[in-house]
Amino acid sequence: DADVTQTPRNRITKTGKRIMLECSQTKGHDRMYWYRQDPGLGLRLIYYSFDVKDINKGEISDGYSVSRQAQAKFSLSLESAIPNQTALYFCATSSRGEAYYEQYFGPGTRLTVT
Amino acid sequence: GQNIDQPTEMTATEGAIVQINCTYQTSGFNGLFWYQQHAGEAPTFLSYNVLDGLEEKGRFSSFLSRSKGYSYLLLKELQMKDSASYLCAVRVLLRGYGGSQGNLIFGKGTKLSVKP
Repeated sequence: DADVTQTPRNRITKTGKRIMLECSQTKGHDRMYWYRQDPGLGLRLIYYSFDVKDINKGEISDGYSVSRQAQAKFSLSLESAIPNQTALYFCATSSRGEAYYEQYFGPGTRLTVT
Repeated sequence: GQNIDQPTEMTATEGAIVQINCTYQTSGFNGLFWYQQHAGEAPTFLSYNVLDGLEEKGRFSSFLSRSKGYSYLLLKELQMKDSASYLCAVRVLLRGYGGSQGNLIFGKGTKLSVKP
């Protein structure tokens, strides 16, 4: 089984709809992140959390919110989706227990907003 | 601001050697990562440098010069499966946090195509 999972893997939604992307991990990592990836723009950080009670905005948090329900779960919400939020979304985890604090990425959620 | 530059695309031949360069201008540098990403898939960790010099791991090597804000990823004995995007990422420290409590700033990636 994958260590970092994301649901759904693909989603098409309409402008104005609320949508939630979920991330779960079995790695036991304390740190979790949400990124979006757009062609030509690379990976950009939306939100990050260093533990259950810690939530921080990243580079591009406007229009998004997050919830860290447990150490293993980190959800990303789009309160009112708009077309320019069409992107590939990745969840990632890391831990001081890893040699380089490297980040491990989930398989991604492809979101299309029409 | 934070800036990381790497070539957009490169092409190389199977069996050859290719070097992918990355230059960066960031604050609070605390290490540089290289990730590999096949189309439509998750990035996977390749290498990490925090001190100047070369780190070798099988067919892949990564070099860092902190004074020059420069790194490269060297891929030897190229295989078709090495066709992917290669992402350079710098970890920057967060104000108020110590140790390795940093976030990654990613370059836009270099798409490598390996041809027979």
